[in-house]
Amino acid sequence: TQLLEQSPQFLSIQEGENLTVYCNSSSVFSSLQWYRQEPGEGPVLLVTVVTGGEVKKLKRLTFQFGDARKDSSLHITAAQPGDTGLYLCAGAPLDYNTDKLIFGTGTRLQVFP
Amino acid sequence: NAGVTQTPKFRILKIGQSMTLQCTQDMNHNYMYWYRQDPGMGLKLIYYSVGAGITDKGEVPNGYNVSRSTTEDFPLRLELAAPSQTSVYFCASSSGRLKNEQFFGPGTRLTVL
Repeated sequence: TQLLEQSPQFLSIQEGENLTVYCNSSSVFSSLQWYRQEPGEGPVLLVTVVTGGEVKKLKRLTFQFGDARKDSSLHITAAQPGDTGLYLCAGAPLDYNTDKLIFGTGTRLQVFP
Repeated sequence: NAGVTQTPKFRILKIGQSMTLQCTQDMNHNYMYWYRQDPGMGLKLIYYSVGAGITDKGEVPNGYNVSRSTTEDFPLRLELAAPSQTSVYFCASSSGRLKNEQFFGPGTRLTVL
């Protein structure tokens, strides 16, 4: 059973378009993190959301944590080629060993000039 | 700070050979992790450690061994390489606080032929 499902799996868009990536679970999480992984490199932490309903902005990226803390979304406004990469959500469910994280299935984004 | 460093960057092994993947962090983090990432997939936890002298299995530990004699180093050992171990291996570290936000190394790409 995959505890964190991401959708869509793949996304190819033109520069300037907007997009939203989703991270869903049936479990409640104490917090959720978003990472971006560029080709040939390790994942890099973008943000952590903690409170239900919380919204965080990082330049053109907007992250939201669901009210029930079971889901999260990442919205990118006016995507640029530099946004290309694999986006991963991660967290630990409330009844889970918090020494480790569960990673989502990932969304691979390609932004064309 | 160099952060998390991994060596080697690339390696080709023959079936049955052994090797050690090295991981070092200079952030004085107690928590360290080994993940594997198969093509187009997310991250799967192999082993982790919450401090020197303490290691525990993750989701896919079979065929691997680890040790943690110092805070800085967390080597991953493959004893009898198999084609199923062809993957990209990432080491990560965390302070264990701040929602277990993880810092990743650049990865080791391993091919077993």
